[in-house]
Amino acid sequence: DIQMTQSPSSLSASVGDRVTITCRASQSISSYLNWYQQKPGKAPKLLIYAASSLQSGVPSRFSGSGSGTDFTLTISSLQPEDFATYYCQQSYSTPSTFGQGTRLEIK
Amino acid sequence: QVQLQESGPGLVKPSQTLSLTCTVSGGSISSGSYYWSWIRQPAGKGLEWIGRIYTSGSTNYNPSLKSRVTISVDTSKNQFSLKLSSVTAADTAVYYCARDSAGMDVWGQGTTVTVSS
Repeated sequence: DIQMTQSPSSLSASVGDRVTITCRASQSISSYLNWYQQKPGKAPKLLIYAASSLQSGVPSRFSGSGSGTDFTLTISSLQPEDFATYYCQQSYSTPSTFGQGTRLEIK
Repeated sequence: QVQLQESGPGLVKPSQTLSLTCTVSGGSISSGSYYWSWIRQPAGKGLEWIGRIYTSGSTNYNPSLKSRVTISVDTSKNQFSLKLSSVTAADTAVYYCARDSAGMDVWGQGTTVTVSS
């Protein structure tokens, strides 16, 4: 299985901050990398697919980059509704695997 | 707008089979090039991919669960289903169904399944 490792595991930030979350794959996954946001008690929401494509309806302050084994999710200016847990997921091969999550908290 | 809704028992006894159904509304399960997936999340933990089925009926399963998992589709009812046999307490989780193309773009709200006697 391909292992996905996110860093940091948790992060405190303030409204307006620029935040970057990193995801590393244990082998090359090309650009088959997706990012999700999950709020407590809710299903995950797709933010970014294919490493850098913004899902329809997702604010442009979210962006993704990377290919191969190293990927980043950037939130350019944090908004109050962005405080949540973020997961990366590889869809390069089955079983699809997720990172352990990054919890983004209010400072 | 496609919506998904999970349904099934919230409590399953150890060693029994967990059975869940995902009903697709707002579109046909047979249209488009989609996989229909199951994912679970134990309380306070991360996401685990269980498996998926294509509209053709072909399946992929997580090897960690493969011997116990069956995913099937009923196009006449616009539903797909999950069966997980020989459950233990470790299978207690919120179970989600999702549509998967380029990323899982549509999710059900999730259903909590507890394995306990």
